[in-house]
Amino acid sequence: KNEVEQSPQNLTAQEGEFITINCSYSVGISALHWLQQHPGGGIVSLFMLSSGKKKHGRLIATINIQEKHSSLHITASHPRDSAVYICAVGPVLNYGGSQGNLIFGKGTKLSVKP
Amino acid sequence: DTEVTQTPKHLVMGMTNKKSLKCEQHMGHRAMYWYKQKAKKPPELMFVYSYEKLSINESVPSRFSPECPNSSLLNLHLHALQPEDSALYLCASSQGPSLTYEQYFGPGTRLTVT
Repeated sequence: KNEVEQSPQNLTAQEGEFITINCSYSVGISALHWLQQHPGGGIVSLFMLSSGKKKHGRLIATINIQEKHSSLHITASHPRDSAVYICAVGPVLNYGGSQGNLIFGKGTKLSVKP
Repeated sequence: DTEVTQTPKHLVMGMTNKKSLKCEQHMGHRAMYWYKQKAKKPPELMFVYSYEKLSINESVPSRFSPECPNSSLLNLHLHALQPEDSALYLCASSQGPSLTYEQYFGPGTRLTVT
């Protein structure tokens, strides 16, 4: 079982729809990151969360530490939101540190049709 | 300036060539990363530099040789690569090596080994 699971793997939506992408993880974490990658391109960091909720424009990210679950919501979706959305967690190490390797989910490919 | 730049954008090299990938950031970040990403897969961490010292090497073959000449620059020297090394190589930086800092990614270098 992967330490970071995302759902759905693929998502097609009509422009204007409300979108939710889910991320569940099985390790203790210091932070959770949501990343966006457009086709053929680099990665943009959308949010870094350790608790609660963050909002930036039409994007909202929430995290429930007790349930080890995070969601990324997109309101009023637009074709330019079409991209792969990646959830990544920073694990807490044995000694309590938080350096090292992010654990990535496999990504959710979102396609928003006009 | 919140940008990480990478050159070149595309690189085609033969298995006997020597080439270098370059990455630059002017955000005063003290951690810099090299990732390798194959198509439809999440990024895989290769190296981490923390305060200009190599802190993590994820068992990367010696045909990849990283270098951090100063706090703004990160190079990846390539020699005697194999076709399976063809991938998107991403550079990232963060304020420090803790995974509780956001990572800022460059646009990547798409490498093809022939």
